[in-house]
Amino acid sequence: GAGVSQTPSNKVTEKGKYVELRCDPISGHTALYWYRQSLGQGPEFLIYFQGTGAADDSGLPNDRFFAVRPEGSVSTLKIQRTERGDSAVYLCASSLSRNEQFFGPGTRLTVL
Amino acid sequence: GIQVEQSPPDLILQEGANSTLRCNFSDSVNNLQWFHQNPWGQLINLFYIPSGTKQNGRLSATTVATERYSLLYISSSQTTDSGVYFCAVRETSGSRLTFGEGTQLTVNP
Repeated sequence: GAGVSQTPSNKVTEKGKYVELRCDPISGHTALYWYRQSLGQGPEFLIYFQGTGAADDSGLPNDRFFAVRPEGSVSTLKIQRTERGDSAVYLCASSLSRNEQFFGPGTRLTVL
Repeated sequence: GIQVEQSPPDLILQEGANSTLRCNFSDSVNNLQWFHQNPWGQLINLFYIPSGTKQNGRLSATTVATERYSLLYISSSQTTDSGVYFCAVRETSGSRLTFGEGTQLTVNP
């Protein structure tokens, strides 16, 4: 594909529900990253995949957050028992190895 | 972890003016990127510049890694340059990008 794509672009859910956010990286990019951006702030790192494995998940805020990349391409970020504080824009990025990162358009998550 | 500070936090210009945005970081890095976040939230890559100087049209950037800072120059600004400019760095031993708080640029016609 031409760039990183993310679906859905917007997600509204109720407190306590489960959500899944999807990221399609640039074809051939081995590294994939998830970030979260709150209003008025810079993006903050959540998790990094090299291939299929999570090489660094130290940015996940708690065990309600989980991400997978089973075939080394598409990744899904999963959030259980959502809370209002989870509301943010979730950004995905990809890169060749650990070089320049390219970002998708983001998923705006709103927890009511 | 590494600290990234951007200045100024806000900048208002008249169309045609020039500006310099600064990014200071607290530790050694092997990746530095400048982004423009447009009003729709998309992060657009401007420069991948861990060291040295690069130019792309009206924009140029310089990173002095030994002194831990980078500068983004915008010349002959246009209203479409408005938005938030982010600097992001990757520590030598890491993989994540750490972002600054951004510079909110407004270019008035």
